[in-house]
Amino acid sequence: DAKTTQPPSMDCAEGRAANLPCNHSTISGNEYVYWYRQIHSQGPQYIIHGLKNNETNEMASLIITEDRKSSTLILPHATLRDTAVYYCIVRARGGTGFQKLVFGTGTRLLVSP
Amino acid sequence: NAGVTQTPKFQVLKTGQSMTLQCAQDMNHNSMYWYRQDPGMGLRLIYYSASEGTTDKGEVPNGYNVSRLNKREFSLRLESAAPSQTSVYFCASSEPGQGNEQFFGPGTRLTVL
Repeated sequence: DAKTTQPPSMDCAEGRAANLPCNHSTISGNEYVYWYRQIHSQGPQYIIHGLKNNETNEMASLIITEDRKSSTLILPHATLRDTAVYYCIVRARGGTGFQKLVFGTGTRLLVSP
Repeated sequence: NAGVTQTPKFQVLKTGQSMTLQCAQDMNHNSMYWYRQDPGMGLRLIYYSASEGTTDKGEVPNGYNVSRLNKREFSLRLESAAPSQTSVYFCASSEPGQGNEQFFGPGTRLTVL
């Protein structure tokens, strides 16, 4: 699995967009980019994933560069409840096999009033 | 749907004691996982079960055993607890071929004295 690099921490003002970067320069053609977050003391929560096109759901948007070596998770209007550790994970998807996720240390996002 | 449930929520053991952590999911997922998370760290995979009847070692299996009791339940056993096993334990499940996003339980906080 490709390794990812994320900044250890970021701050964001409530109501503003939070843009969380992730570098995955060794990503291979069949590997997807997954984002999870972990709110304090809770189990991780799936946010979004993508292969090469930009993706959007009710929680966030995922922008993947054309060369797929980096991506950005965007929380368009951050709230205090978005304070969490955000994990960027690169993993092959599909097939009938299980999916192991390799969690790094992620980015600790602090949303302030 | 309860999703993924774990029992107990908290546990304190003495060194050398044994215990079993229970996990159940009601989403009819084939794959289940056990992770541990130490303070300030990401999650590390202990064991996983790709499907009912199979189990395999993850990154940090030493000191643990697992049982995939049926499709719903996946238990983690510590035969002789050690202080190094003090951690938060998360169970997760996923369904290969359906995006394979993992759904996590609330965690069990284990302290070994």
